[in-house]
This record gives sequence, structure tokens and C-alpha cells, in this order.
Amino acid sequence: QKEVEQDPGPLSVPEGAIVSLNCTYSNSAFQYFMWYRQYSRKGPELLMYTYSSGNKEDGRFTAQVDKSSKYISLFIRDSQPSDSATYLCAMSRSGAGSYQLTFGKGTKLSVIP
Amino acid sequence: GAVVSQHPSRVICKSGTSVKIECRSLDFQATTMFWYRQFPKKSLMLMATSNEGSKATYEQGVEKDKFLINHASLTLSTLTVTSAHPEDSSFYICSASAQQGVGYGYTFGSGTRLTVV
Repeated sequence: QKEVEQDPGPLSVPEGAIVSLNCTYSNSAFQYFMWYRQYSRKGPELLMYTYSSGNKEDGRFTAQVDKSSKYISLFIRDSQPSDSATYLCAMSRSGAGSYQLTFGKGTKLSVIP
Repeated sequence: GAVVSQHPSRVICKSGTSVKIECRSLDFQATTMFWYRQFPKKSLMLMATSNEGSKATYEQGVEKDKFLINHASLTLSTLTVTSAHPEDSSFYICSASAQQGVGYGYTFGSGTRLTVV
């Protein structure tokens, strides 16, 4: 079993739709949870991060972490064509080794005008 | 915000030659930088951790002699792919953090597309 599982998609939605992106993980030591957005041929850009369980909202983006289920989500409201990108979840432990990020494969999202 | 500059963005080289990729933190000092490799439709794979003033720490399965990493200053790390072969063709990305030991505070470079012909 891989440490982080993420459905690679592709996911195609109409403009204005609510998008739900998810990752599951197996390592209970993960404490930091991040979502990155990567446009084609570019480096990942940090969208949101969450420490431990809970929700975090930033504009149209909401990140949720459920540590009991080892499941994290990113919701995008009122999706826009400019949101079309690959979304990567990433996680890290606290303490020793906390600098090492473990990434999901990424979900490719297309928002159709 | 923190900016990481990576150069070149794209390089094509002949098999057997060496290629150097630079990663610079523009507005902060980074004692630690990371080098990743990304294949199409695959996740980012950590290759090595670059530590300023000391040897890099390589992940299992990454050839140290093939992927030479130098972190000569607090703002510059370089990755040299030596004796490149077509199977080394990939997207290489560096990242750096101004906050040591914190998992989330990382900025990525824009990546380098290496094609070995």
C-alpha cells in the first residue's frame, strides 16, 4: 500500500461547479497536510496547509483533514477556468524528518467555460 | 513571499554529456534545499536533500555519482546530471524553505525539463 493515494483523474467540471479533491494516507505519523497546485510545466505552488485535523478556508478553497479516517479533501467553490491545473496533496511528519514531503500523484482538473 | 528561481527551464543535451541545473532562493536564506524528479502522471519523487556546507543526503535508489549536488551558499544549490542518458529525461524541481524543520513552508522552483537525445 502506498503511503499517499490520490485519484489521478482527469476530472472535468463546468465553470461554477464545486470541485472535491481527495487523498487517503496510511501513515498515522503525518501531521502536516498540504495542497499544491501545479500548472503544466511549472513547479508546484502551495495553496493551503493544515496542521492535524480540522477545516481551513481561504477564499474559494476549503481544506479538510480527518485524521481518524486518514482522509483529506480540498474543495473549490465557484470553479473557474483558471483553476484548471494538477492538484497535489502532500504530507509530512512532525519532529525529526518533518521536512520530508510525501506527495500524492496529483489530480488533473479541467474547468470548462 | 519567498521566491525560488530555477534555471534553465528547459534543456536538451546529447547522451553522455553533463547538465547543470541551478536553484536559487532570491529573498531568503535556505540552509536546506530539496531536489525532486517528476515523471508524467506520477508524483514528485524526492531525490536528495541538499545541505549548505555539507554533503547531500540521497534517497534510496538515487545514484550519488550520477546526480551531483552542491550547496555552496545559503542561496544556491546545483544539481548536475552526469553522463546523461535518455532515461534521465524528466522534469526536475527544487524547493527551499526559510523555516527549517517545518514541513509546510516550502517554495518550489519552476522546474527544469531535461531531454536527453
